[in-house]
Amino acid sequence: DQQVKQNSPSLSVQEGRISILNCDYTNSMFDYFLWYKKYPAEGPTFLISISSIKDKNEDGRFTVFLNKSAKHLSLHIVPSQPGDSAVYFCAASAEEGGNFNKFYFGSGTKLNVKP
Amino acid sequence: DAGVTQSPTHLIKTRGQQVTLRCSPKSGHDTVSWYQQALGQGPQFIFQYYEEEERQRGNFPDRFSGHQFPNYSSELNVNALLLGDSALYLCASSLLWGLAKNIQYFGAGTRLSVL
Repeated sequence: DQQVKQNSPSLSVQEGRISILNCDYTNSMFDYFLWYKKYPAEGPTFLISISSIKDKNEDGRFTVFLNKSAKHLSLHIVPSQPGDSAVYFCAASAEEGGNFNKFYFGSGTKLNVKP
Repeated sequence: DAGVTQSPTHLIKTRGQQVTLRCSPKSGHDTVSWYQQALGQGPQFIFQYYEEEERQRGNFPDRFSGHQFPNYSSELNVNALLLGDSALYLCASSLLWGLAKNIQYFGAGTRLSVL
């Protein structure tokens, strides 16, 4: 049962333009959401996160938006740079059993930023 | 400051064999989680260890077991290997408490091939 879905396997964007990566989830108990970036032969690297009590979080060129009613979040990258080319994973967590969280990942979106 | 390290980087086994993967967490981290990432998929949560005990478990059979040592390092053991166990196995470390408790740091993974 895929509780976190990234329906776009790939996205191609011109350098300098906006990249928008989307993620949908089904579990209303999720209270924290994260985006990770993964380069080949490396582990995923944390990029940005948002708590369910917020609807927007911004960090430099990266902004994450959360729409709880639609169970949808998105990552905006402005402006996009060739170095942003990577696979982006959306992840969600819910506190299950004390302070211990389970993390659920989407299948990833491969972003290609063309020079 | 050393990040998360995993060994070995690659491993080839045959069906029915047993395998042990190792992980050293980021300095200062007390919680270790293991993930299985099949080709083209996102990481799937296997289990999480804190204070040498398994605290959370994903939907994986008992063939998958683990251990955490007093120095917070961890092992993932898989018995009776199946062809379907071929995947990238990722270790992630985090802090159980504090503002950063939901942020996981990943190693580069161990690529397991079962023939």
